[in-house]
Amino acid sequence: AAGVIQSPRHLIKEKRETATLKCYPIPRHDTVYWYQQGPGQDPQFLISFYEKMQSDKGSIPDRFSAQQFSDYHSELNMSSLELGDSALYFCASSLRGRGVNSPLHFGNGTRLTVT
Amino acid sequence: AQSVTQPDIHITVSEGASLELRCNYSYGATPYLFWYVQSPGQGLQLLLKYFSGDTLVQGIKGFEAEFKRSQSSFNLRKPSVHWSDAAEYFCAVGASGNQFYFGTGTSLTVIP
Repeated sequence: AAGVIQSPRHLIKEKRETATLKCYPIPRHDTVYWYQQGPGQDPQFLISFYEKMQSDKGSIPDRFSAQQFSDYHSELNMSSLELGDSALYFCASSLRGRGVNSPLHFGNGTRLTVT
Repeated sequence: AQSVTQPDIHITVSEGASLELRCNYSYGATPYLFWYVQSPGQGLQLLLKYFSGDTLVQGIKGFEAEFKRSQSSFNLRKPSVHWSDAAEYFCAVGASGNQFYFGTGTSLTVIP
């Protein structure tokens, strides 16, 4: 079965650079979530999109932005990178249209290292 | 406010022994509860979920969990642990608006 695809798997950037992370949800899933997981931490919710509209916003810094495109893929744009942004970034998708809390299906994540 | 507590940061068990990972939640309405497993460098994989009905739910890889409303708990169990079960385990609660709240995780080490 198709899973959530994230690219790239690894990304190394320098401070103050920008980064773009991509996420391709499971086909027909209508909701995309972005999570940030620091070393030894639980995933922290950043932002979500439902049917290409921003749905919920968590602890996403103002330096970050995200959007969901017409083909439902999503991109997380990160600017003015800081050392503290080094983390594993997960995308997850679900089918909210079912009317109940559909489980999140996670991608394998993008490991961002800021030097 | 919604929250999830996993009291055990790290657990070590011997291969073949039974396992129970604790999860307590705080949520005003009927919760949707999940357990995820994360292997090193990997994404989170859904083990099982509880929405309603039978309070004992079966998941993949031989795991099960029991929802106890009176204790606000959703503990994960496995009768006999395998070395490949060594991973990080996250309990999560789904709230209204499709928000998900994760516990801080329990790291499982399996001794041969």
